[in-house]
Amino acid sequence: AQTVTQSQPEMSVQEAETVTLSCTYDTSESDYYLFWYKQPPSRQMILVIRQEAYKQQNATENRFSVNFQKAAKSFSLKISDSQLGDAAMYFCAYRRRNNNDMRFGAGTRLTVKP
Amino acid sequence: DAMVIQNPRYQVTQFGKPVTLSCSQTLNHNVMYWYQQKSSQAPKLLFHYYDKDFNNEADTPDNFQSRRPNTSFCFLDIRSPGLGDAAMYLCATSRDRVESKNIQYFGAGTRLSVL
Repeated sequence: AQTVTQSQPEMSVQEAETVTLSCTYDTSESDYYLFWYKQPPSRQMILVIRQEAYKQQNATENRFSVNFQKAAKSFSLKISDSQLGDAAMYFCAYRRRNNNDMRFGAGTRLTVKP
Repeated sequence: DAMVIQNPRYQVTQFGKPVTLSCSQTLNHNVMYWYQQKSSQAPKLLFHYYDKDFNNEADTPDNFQSRRPNTSFCFLDIRSPGLGDAAMYLCATSRDRVESKNIQYFGAGTRLSVL
């Protein structure tokens, strides 16, 4: 079974600084997708960034980028120039190709200090 | 504009009293999902509909049922809620089931309390 582990229950960052959230996963598959979702307090979960396992290049979306290490099964999220609006719960998720079952990590609560 | 809408945002029910949570979508997506998220835990998939085809997760309790009368609406029925069923329930949609870049869009969730 695929599992997703987020080892940091809570993280904090100073506004305008950079923070990295960690995620590791366990799978025997070679073709899959990885996601970071953001869940602000009392609001819906939204996709931040996604990575296809067959792509070596790390995905980037504006201030958000990932460090995808396939051999190490690691998928960390870097947030640059942190903003107050980045404060949220962040979930790492895994989905096998051609399968609908998405597996989430337990989440990391990010606090941004002004 | 909200594309996946869950009502109500907060629901209180009594132990053993049936309760229904609703989800609607304006995206015309084929797939709708229900997740259960307990405090400080990861969302856990309960089941999903691909069009009218119902797919139950193996470990979803029989207490949980779902209905999808049309493309836009999906309901989660909890027949006899127990204290352990208190959680946030998330509805999500995706355009297709096996599309390679399938993205799930989530509603804001319904927080269920069981007294």
